[in-house]
Amino acid sequence: EPEVTQTPSHQVTQMGQEVILRCVPISNHLYFYWYRQILGQKVEFLVSFYNNEISEKSEIFDDQFSVERPDGSNFTLKIRSTKLEDSAMYFCASSRTGNSGNTIYFGEGSWLTVV
Amino acid sequence: LAKTTQPISMDSYEGQEVNITCSHNNIATNDYITWYQQFPSQGPRFIIQGYKTKVTNEVASLFIPADRKSSTLSLPRVSLSDTAVYYCLVVGVTGGGNKLTFGTGTQLKVEL
Repeated sequence: EPEVTQTPSHQVTQMGQEVILRCVPISNHLYFYWYRQILGQKVEFLVSFYNNEISEKSEIFDDQFSVERPDGSNFTLKIRSTKLEDSAMYFCASSRTGNSGNTIYFGEGSWLTVV
Repeated sequence: LAKTTQPISMDSYEGQEVNITCSHNNIATNDYITWYQQFPSQGPRFIIQGYKTKVTNEVASLFIPADRKSSTLSLPRVSLSDTAVYYCLVVGVTGGGNKLTFGTGTQLKVEL
């Protein structure tokens, strides 16, 4: 079964540093997403991306965050000037279309620890 | 997006059938009902999705009554490995794709 893959699985970074989380969505999917889950809390939507641009973003996704599809396969989330409260599990997801009946598949996550 | 309400937790024993009911009174005409499973420190895993009546796949069944204001996820013969959080989501199209709004889910604990 095709799957969304994410790297790294775990990253520890110092406060103020920049991190890039990488994702390879399912190959024929056109919509890409980032979600995050702080330990013990709900899974939260960050951003959706289609046709090389952001289609929707949440209040969490401020200027500290950016997304990019640098080539035909990767989808990245960049977090600048990391803060302690950015420590969370970050999930990449993808779907083939943007229709409500279309399934969104999640990766296994990248665990970010900011110290 | 329609708000969902589901039990915070459920307990079961191996081999039993588990039914988790979710209410979504404000579901819109074009919305689908989707269930995900999540193990600790892992990504949400798609279980099943439906629009109306009954949907069955190799792991679960989803029952949706005619008014679509609720749905029931049925897990036949659960095992210890089914211990996880189960999320009921109502999925509609917003902007350029689907935006999933997760609640706290139902923590299912399966014991011997």
